[in-house]
Amino acid sequence: SQKIEQNSEALNIQEGKTATLTCNYTNYSPAYLQWYRQDPGRGPVFLLLIRENEKEKRKERLKVTFDTTLKQSLFHITASQPADSATYLCALSVGYSSASKIIFGSGTRLSIRP
Amino acid sequence: DAGVIQSPRHEVTEMGQEVTLRCKPISGHDYLFWYRQTMMRGLELLIYFNNNVPIDDSGMPEDRFSAKMPNASFSTLKIQPSEPRDSAVYFCASKEQGLAVDEQYFGPGTRLTVT
Repeated sequence: SQKIEQNSEALNIQEGKTATLTCNYTNYSPAYLQWYRQDPGRGPVFLLLIRENEKEKRKERLKVTFDTTLKQSLFHITASQPADSATYLCALSVGYSSASKIIFGSGTRLSIRP
Repeated sequence: DAGVIQSPRHEVTEMGQEVTLRCKPISGHDYLFWYRQTMMRGLELLIYFNNNVPIDDSGMPEDRFSAKMPNASFSTLKIQPSEPRDSAVYFCASKEQGLAVDEQYFGPGTRLTVT
């Protein structure tokens, strides 16, 4: 069966360190993968999208890698700050057009302690 | 733009009652999605529309759930009759068509409690 796993329900990191979140999937061949941030009581907010032919994507302190052989994406936040504390969701596309839907992982709750 | 607008923000109802959730997508967006989020099941896609037409409703849990999009600026998700297990946060999201622009914009959600 198809499955998306985000390792670690919760991750606690010291401020200033790099936080690394993992997203593994099975029985999917996504054309792209997205990462979202969700704060308590709010809807998810889009952060980054990486396509199957891209190995790495960066945006400010964020970096995403995508390994279609390992079926894994890593999400890094460098120089982490307490304001980065939130739940982070990975989402995989199902289908090969802009009409495709995305399936979300269960999320990883990240806490950055001062 | 005000972003995706959902109403009500909170809804408390008794089992057996009809519940209607409302969504106004971002102007110009061609796709509209309805999701449900619970602690146990995470964020689940219920149904999505393209140009007001339902494309995939395979996530709708059962016949008690129905969704409509009468025009490009309004959609409803209806539960009739509601049950306690429907308690969740329901999100609406929209996006533009086009391969280069695939991010979804989520509304603030409606927290539904069925007693």
